[in-house]
Amino acid sequence: SAVISQKPSRDICQRGTSLTIQCQVDSQVTMMFWYRQQPGQSLTLIATANQGSEATYESGFVIDKFPISRPNLTFSTLTVSNMSPEDSSIYLCSVESAGRGLTEAFFGQGTRLTVV
Amino acid sequence: GEDVEQSLFLSVREGDSSVINCTYTDSSSTYLYWYKQEPGAGLQLLTYIFSNMDMKQDQRLTVLLNKKDKHLSLRIADTQTGDSAIYFCAENTSGTYKYIFGTGTRLKVLA
Repeated sequence: SAVISQKPSRDICQRGTSLTIQCQVDSQVTMMFWYRQQPGQSLTLIATANQGSEATYESGFVIDKFPISRPNLTFSTLTVSNMSPEDSSIYLCSVESAGRGLTEAFFGQGTRLTVV
Repeated sequence: GEDVEQSLFLSVREGDSSVINCTYTDSSSTYLYWYKQEPGAGLQLLTYIFSNMDMKQDQRLTVLLNKKDKHLSLRIADTQTGDSAIYFCAENTSGTYKYIFGTGTRLKVLA
């Protein structure tokens, strides 16, 4: 299993500013994932962060808007840049790890972002 | 295409059974999951089923899979107020890291 800590748990930010979200895992993992959960909607994968290489972004997400760092095998950051109210969402960090008889996705508690 | 659909809300009385439904479109999915999200928390895996199974029971939870109709359901027996949460179904294909999540069903348990 994996225990994931995210910081901050919530924030209220002014439009035009940037926020960096941190994700710390209690074990070394190859890939870390960042999801967005907009109000009343499902989770959408933003990007996959690999240590030692650039993140891989999903369709509709770009590095300029969501730069990601992955300095080591237990840590990653996601920055939400030049924020607008449309960026208000919950951002979740996730890893895959061996679970109960299968590989499962583990999630941090999320960062609830409100942009005003 | 990849699309996983769920009804948005379900309300049940404490002690009754809850049934949360999910339909998916990717027939190559290998694993299907049910995750629970409590207020202010991340997602927590509740149970899962392999695509070659029809049913799985785990204490109060029963998962039914109809591959022909691409329909997955989660039954919670003797629903408690602590079961109030958002429930997400998700699918994953073996060998890939991508999980496709449903829209989530908000379960409200009335005392």
